[in-house]
Amino acid sequence: DIQMTQSPSTLSASVGDRVTITCRASQSISSWLAWYQQKPGKAPKLLIYKASSLESGVPSRFSGSGSGTEFTLTISSLQPDDFATYYCQQYNSYPITFGQGTRLEIK
Amino acid sequence: EVQLVESGGGLVQPGGSLRLSCAASGFTFSSYWMSWVRQAPGKGLEWVANIKQDGSEKYYVDSVKGRFTISRDNAKNSLYLQMNSLRAEDTAVYYCARDQTAFGYGMDVWGQGTTVTVSS
Repeated sequence: DIQMTQSPSTLSASVGDRVTITCRASQSISSWLAWYQQKPGKAPKLLIYKASSLESGVPSRFSGSGSGTEFTLTISSLQPDDFATYYCQQYNSYPITFGQGTRLEIK
Repeated sequence: EVQLVESGGGLVQPGGSLRLSCAASGFTFSSYWMSWVRQAPGKGLEWVANIKQDGSEKYYVDSVKGRFTISRDNAKNSLYLQMNSLRAEDTAVYYCARDQTAFGYGMDVWGQGTTVTVSS
């Protein structure tokens, strides 16, 4: 199975900050990576697919990059609505696996 | 409106069975792979299983193989998860999701989740 490791596990930041979350795969997954945002008690929401493609309706302050084994999710200017938990997901091979999550909290 | 609505969760004893359902609306259900994803209390997301449009291909995470069965009824726009031999570690919120990973996209539509609690 492909292991997905996110860092950091928790990130404290302020409104307006630029933040980056990293996701590393235990083996190459090409660009078959997605990012999700989840708020407490809610279902996950797709933000980015194929490592860098922005899902329709997602604000342009979200961006993704990377390929192979290292990927990043960047939020260019944090907004109050962005404080949530973020997960990466690989879909290069079965089983589909998620990272453990990064909780983005208000500093 | 594109929508997925799960049902069927509840409290079940270890070793028991439960069948989850997911009703789809607002899109052509028969054109999409579908997945089940679960989240144990306070934990991260875990993909459980998915199924091809016509039901001809199914994939499972190892921890549920032989115990869970994913199925669908395209005439009823419904997805199912039959869960047998349930264990305490199966306790989670179960989400159904429209799965476009086979086409290079992600899981772009999710239900609100249904809670399964395995306890004596």
